[in-house]
Amino acid sequence: DGGITQSPKYLFRKEGQNVTLSCEQNLNHDAMYWYRQDPGQGLRLIYYSQIVNDFQKGDIAEGYSVSREKKESFPLTVTSAQKNPTAFYLCASKQGAEAFFGQGTRLTVV
Amino acid sequence: GQNIDQPTEMTATEGAIVQINCTYQTSGFNGLFWYQQHAGEAPTFLSYNVLDGLEEKGRFSSFLSRSKGYSYLLLKELQMKDSASYLCAVRENQAGTALIFGKGTTLSVSS
Repeated sequence: DGGITQSPKYLFRKEGQNVTLSCEQNLNHDAMYWYRQDPGQGLRLIYYSQIVNDFQKGDIAEGYSVSREKKESFPLTVTSAQKNPTAFYLCASKQGAEAFFGQGTRLTVV
Repeated sequence: GQNIDQPTEMTATEGAIVQINCTYQTSGFNGLFWYQQHAGEAPTFLSYNVLDGLEEKGRFSSFLSRSKGYSYLLLKELQMKDSASYLCAVRENQAGTALIFGKGTTLSVSS
């Protein structure tokens, strides 16, 4: 079945460690996005990519990095520079009007 | 600047009708989206409006007025499973760019 897969669903990280969240899609979509969701904050854009080997910062890119080496994959690295990384992270892809979301990764810093 | 406003919470009873409003101020406009999100899950697409008027899809309808920067989502014949957050999102320009989301409206449906 076509869709977007995020892994893992739950992730725990110690303070000071980098961690990478996976996002894979087999929908053949050009555009992919990473959002962060905190309680009462809605979805905020971290990074997006419109084509392979190109990506742009969103509203809250500090402390995060991405790569887009393949059309299907758009991994997000949460670095130790991100001061408040505990959140629900959502990946999405889009071709045309509708965006499709993955099931999300809940990251907790312990 | 960009601003999308929705009520934080709403309550309703089974079988009723509820209207969730969304107002927006963005630098451009190329469509308004409504998503449903159950707790801990991914948002799922409900509707898309790019022209003024009402779009109906089963129990859900969405309305857009571009001149007023206003949309609403209308849910009819409410069911318990409709308890969720409803997210309003605007696309500022055409291809590829991200959606700007409001903070969402949490709807609680009681029996």
